[in-house]
Amino acid sequence: GQNIDQPTEMTATEGAIVQINCTYQTSGFNGLFWYQQHAGEAPTFLSYNVLDGLEEKGRFSSFLSRSKGYSYLLLKELQMKDSASYLCAVSRGGATNKLIFGTGTLLAVQP
Amino acid sequence: DVKVTQSSRYLVKRTGEKVFLECVQDMDHENMFWYRQDPGLGLRLIYFSYDVKMKEKGDIPEGYSVSREKKERFSLILESASTNQTSMYLCASSLSGQVEAFFGQGTRLTVV
Repeated sequence: GQNIDQPTEMTATEGAIVQINCTYQTSGFNGLFWYQQHAGEAPTFLSYNVLDGLEEKGRFSSFLSRSKGYSYLLLKELQMKDSASYLCAVSRGGATNKLIFGTGTLLAVQP
Repeated sequence: DVKVTQSSRYLVKRTGEKVFLECVQDMDHENMFWYRQDPGLGLRLIYFSYDVKMKEKGDIPEGYSVSREKKERFSLILESASTNQTSMYLCASSLSGQVEAFFGQGTRLTVV
C-alpha cells in the first residue's frame, strides 16, 4: 500500500525552531516535497528532496533519508506568519509528477 | 507571474445535479491535476492530464470525469453530484520534467 504519515498538529513559540517529521511507504519514489498551506489558500511549494541529505533555503530546511523512508522540515526563527498547514508529498515518478500527499501538519506559532 | 485560476471559490449544488469545475493556467504547462482535500485525509488525486485530450485516472476517480480540450483548461465534471462529494477541490499544473506544481485557490463545493 501507499502511506505517508505526519503529525496532525504541532505548537511552537515565536523565534524558536520546529521540526515536522514525515515517514512514507510508497510504490515508486521520485522525490519528496513539502508544501505550505495557509487557511483558505492554495498550497505553495517549499522544498524538494530527491537525494539523501539536507537542503537549506533561508529559514527552512528539508532532510531526506530514502533508506529510512523519512523526511523532516525544519523551520528556524519562527514567525507568526509561519502558522499554517505543512504538507508532505511523495512523487511516484514519471514526467507528470503525480504526487501522493500526507494529511498535513497544522502548525500553530504562539507569541 | 504564475497563475492557476479556478472559476469559483464557493459553490452550492443539489444532489443529482451535473457540476462543472473549471481550471485555467497561463503558464503553458503540459500537466494538469485535480485533487480533493478533506480533513484527516489530505489531498487525493482524482484525475490528471499530461496533454490536450489526454487523461488518466488518479486514486479516487469514481463519480468524476474530466475534459481537456485546450492546453490551458482542465475541467472536472461531477455527472450526478452526491453529498459525499462535498469537499475542497484543488487544481494544479506543472511543466513536464519540472518538480514544482502550482495550485489554484480551490473551490469549496457543498452538495445538499
